[in-house]
Amino acid sequence: DAGVIQSPRHEVTEMGQEVTLRCKPISGHNSLFWYRQTMMRGLELLIYFNNNVPIDDSGMPEDRFSAKMPNASFSTLKIQPSEPRDSAVYFCASSPQGTGGYEQYFGPGTRLTVT
Amino acid sequence: SQQGEEDPQALSIQEGENATMNCSYKTSINNLQWYRQNSGRGLVHLILIRSNEREKHSGRLRVTLDTSKKSSSLLITASRAADTASYFCATPGPNTDKLIFGTGTRLQVFP
Repeated sequence: DAGVIQSPRHEVTEMGQEVTLRCKPISGHNSLFWYRQTMMRGLELLIYFNNNVPIDDSGMPEDRFSAKMPNASFSTLKIQPSEPRDSAVYFCASSPQGTGGYEQYFGPGTRLTVT
Repeated sequence: SQQGEEDPQALSIQEGENATMNCSYKTSINNLQWYRQNSGRGLVHLILIRSNEREKHSGRLRVTLDTSKKSSSLLITASRAADTASYFCATPGPNTDKLIFGTGTRLQVFP
């Protein structure tokens, strides 16, 4: 079975440009999570969805960040406009149900560099 | 704020030795999970221990949970160079479905 799929794997862009990260969760999983990982701040949860509905976006750093999940098999994380401090590895993860008792399955991540 | 804090931050051992990592958390939980992250990769779930369990084994992994002390430990026995990775504990956030990850322990196993 395919795991969580993320694209692109690497993204280099200039400050001010729009960046769109994509995620395809594992089929049948009801919950989807977007994380950001940096050396300074570690692994941060940005937002998570349950049954395609955003449940908690308190981790989204600014209005420049937005996330959508139009259907059960696809989600996007958009940064507009991007800034150098957004440089990080962004992970998408999915889970069979809410994480109260279930493990999460992580994608390979998208390494974003904003110059 | 982070729910879990791992200790030590970094650990270096020789192949064949055992590696022990500890995790402390702040609030009541119904389970605690351990994940591994190889350099440049996503996290991989290792093991989940429920609050009514005290110990759990999976291959060379042994996890303990002490809810009275709000702590857990991950023991890797007979370590291998391939065990070199960062290890994170994670717990459900209070009154949410979120998983909150600790800061991680970087394990280096030398051949």
